[in-house]
Amino acid sequence: DTAVSQTPKYLVTQMGNDKSIKCEQNLGHDTMYWYKQDSKKFLKIMFSYNNKELIINETVPNRFSPKSPDKAHLNLHINSLELGDSAVYFCASSQGPGQLYEQYFGPGTRLTVT
Amino acid sequence: QKEVEQDPGPLSVPEGAIVSLNCTYSNSAFQYFMWYRQYSRKGPELLMYTYSSGNKEDGRFTAQVDKSSKYISLFIRDSQPSDSATYLCAMSAPQGGSEKLVFGKGTKLTVNP
Repeated sequence: DTAVSQTPKYLVTQMGNDKSIKCEQNLGHDTMYWYKQDSKKFLKIMFSYNNKELIINETVPNRFSPKSPDKAHLNLHINSLELGDSAVYFCASSQGPGQLYEQYFGPGTRLTVT
Repeated sequence: QKEVEQDPGPLSVPEGAIVSLNCTYSNSAFQYFMWYRQYSRKGPELLMYTYSSGNKEDGRFTAQVDKSSKYISLFIRDSQPSDSATYLCAMSAPQGGSEKLVFGKGTKLTVNP
C-alpha cells in the first residue's frame, strides 16, 4: 500500500513545453507539499497546502502552479519549461501544518528538460 | 551563512563501524530536528526526530541535539551495508503562521562489507 504516490516517475520533455505532475496520499493527512531536489541533492520546499488551501509559497517562478482538488491530492503544473527546471520533484504529506516532524515523501518525479 | 550546514562527504566506512553524521544550524527558531535517509533514486524516509536537547535512541540509531551549540548528530552503531545511503538532516522553522522544513545538503554514506 503506497502511502504517497506520484505520477509520472520519469518525465523527459523539451524546453517551452507545459507538463503536470500528480500526487496522491492515502494517509488521511491534511497537509501536502512539493519539494525540488537539484542535481546536488539539495532539497527545498516549493509549496505547501493544508486542506486544499495554499499556506506556503516559497520564491518559485510563477510558471509553477500547484493545485489541490482535495486534501488527498496535490498536482504541480509547470508552464514554459526551462533547462533549469530539470530536477527531482518530491511530494510529501504530514498530519497537519505543524507536524512536520512526521512528514512522508513520495518516490519522486525525475524531470529532464532538453 | 546557510541556515543548515551539512558536510556532503562522501563518507566510507567498514561494516560494523560507528558512524557519526552532523549538522550545524544558525536559526535559533528551529524547533524540531529530523534525520532522513534517502536511498539512490528513492524518496527521503524519516528515521528519527527530536525536539529538545539531549539524546534519542532507536535501535542502532541515536540522534543528539545540542541547542546551545546549534549542533545535531546522528550516530549509527554496528553499521551495515544496507545503511549505505544519503542522510539528510532537516529542521522545522516557523513560516508566516505555518512551518516549513529546511534541509541540509545530505551526507553520502557507504558501508563496505
